[in-house]
Amino acid sequence: TQLLEQSPQFLSIQEGENLTVYCNSSSVFSSLQWYRQEPGEGPVLLVTVVTGGEVKKLKRLTFQFGDARKDSSLHITAAQPGDTGLYLCAGVGQAGTALIFGKGTTLSVSS
Amino acid sequence: DSGVTQTPKHLITATGQRVTLRCSPRSGDLSVYWYQQSLDQGLQFLIQYYNGEERAKGNILERFSAQQFPDLHSELNLSSLELGDSALYFCASSVAGGREKLFFGSGTQLSVL
Repeated sequence: TQLLEQSPQFLSIQEGENLTVYCNSSSVFSSLQWYRQEPGEGPVLLVTVVTGGEVKKLKRLTFQFGDARKDSSLHITAAQPGDTGLYLCAGVGQAGTALIFGKGTTLSVSS
Repeated sequence: DSGVTQTPKHLITATGQRVTLRCSPRSGDLSVYWYQQSLDQGLQFLIQYYNGEERAKGNILERFSAQQFPDLHSELNLSSLELGDSALYFCASSVAGGREKLFFGSGTQLSVL
């Protein structure tokens, strides 16, 4: 069974701090996606990484896909209260079509 | 607004009952996915339909069933409900059903008392 392990599970920081969250697996994924979910809403896609070693930037968010395509990280620079939410990584499962999700990292940024 | 509509937003029912959750995908999307989200298990894939046909199955209980209709809307039926079925149920849609982006609805919060 392919699993995506995310760490840390919870993160509470002050505005302006930097942080990194991780998504790890023992399996190789052809691509990984990162979603953010806010309370009362469904997850919203932030980025898809496809190539091993790939780095993508979305404003203050930097996403990296591991060289072996088994892990990924999300780094946020100068976090803001608006970054608060549940960050989920997801990859296509062995069934070939359905996305499987990690349990997520709950980020709280206070001002 | 993702364009995916789920109804109802909240549902409160009793153990042993049966409920139906409804999902309308984004216009033009052929694939519909159902996920269950709970605090301990996270977001669990239940089932996927593509253009009316079942495409993939995940951790869906035998008490649960789904279908996708000719107009592409989908329904998830949950029967013989148990306390442990209380969760957020999300529907998502995508254009084709491969590795592309999923658009999620706002979910149905099911509470089984």
